Amino acid sequence: QKEVEQDPGPLSVPEGAIVSLNCTYSNSAFQYFMWYRQYSRKGPELLMYTYSSGNKEDGRFTAQVDKSSKYISLFIRDSQPSDSATYLCAMSADFGNEKLTFGTGTRLTIIP
Amino acid sequence: GAGVSQSPSNKVTEKGKDVELRCDPISGHTALYWYRQSLGQGLEFLIYFQGNSAPDKSGLPSDRFSAERTGGSVSTLTIQRTQQEDSAVYLCASSLEPGGIAFYEQYFGPGTRLTVT
Repeated sequence: QKEVEQDPGPLSVPEGAIVSLNCTYSNSAFQYFMWYRQYSRKGPELLMYTYSSGNKEDGRFTAQVDKSSKYISLFIRDSQPSDSATYLCAMSADFGNEKLTFGTGTRLTIIP
Repeated sequence: GAGVSQSPSNKVTEKGKDVELRCDPISGHTALYWYRQSLGQGLEFLIYFQGNSAPDKSGLPSDRFSAERTGGSVSTLTIQRTQQEDSAVYLCASSLEPGGIAFYEQYFGPGTRLTVT
């Protein structure tokens, strides 16, 4: 079993819809949670960062962490075609732990 | 400013040959990482360099893989006697010295797509 599980999709939704992307993990030591966005033929770019449980909002994006369920989510409101990309969750344990453990990524397509 | 650059962007090689992949990090970034991205596997950590410290090689899958970083800047990932299972996208990332939120902002290059035939 992988430490981080992520549904690879693909996921297609109409423009303007709310998108929900999720990851589950097995390592209870994970405390730092990140979401990366990766466009085709590009490297990943950091989208959101959260620490421990709770919510964090940044514009149309909201990241949620539920450590009791070992479950994290990324919500995208008012989705746009430019949001079409692969979204990867990543996490690490102690602060200063340089190794990020990534999910496999979910390919998202927003249909105009 | 300039981001992380990698070369070549694509590399096709025959099984058994050696390959070298290059990474130029963002100027001033002291931390440099190599990852491998295979279809359906996500990003797999390979190696991490931080300043003058000994690199963390714990993610290298075999002794055919090695990496060096010269002068605290450019890094080269070398794969000897390539195998078909080495086919993947090799991504390099850099970040500021660990400490605070900046550590987690790993800036990725576009990757080198390696195909072993």
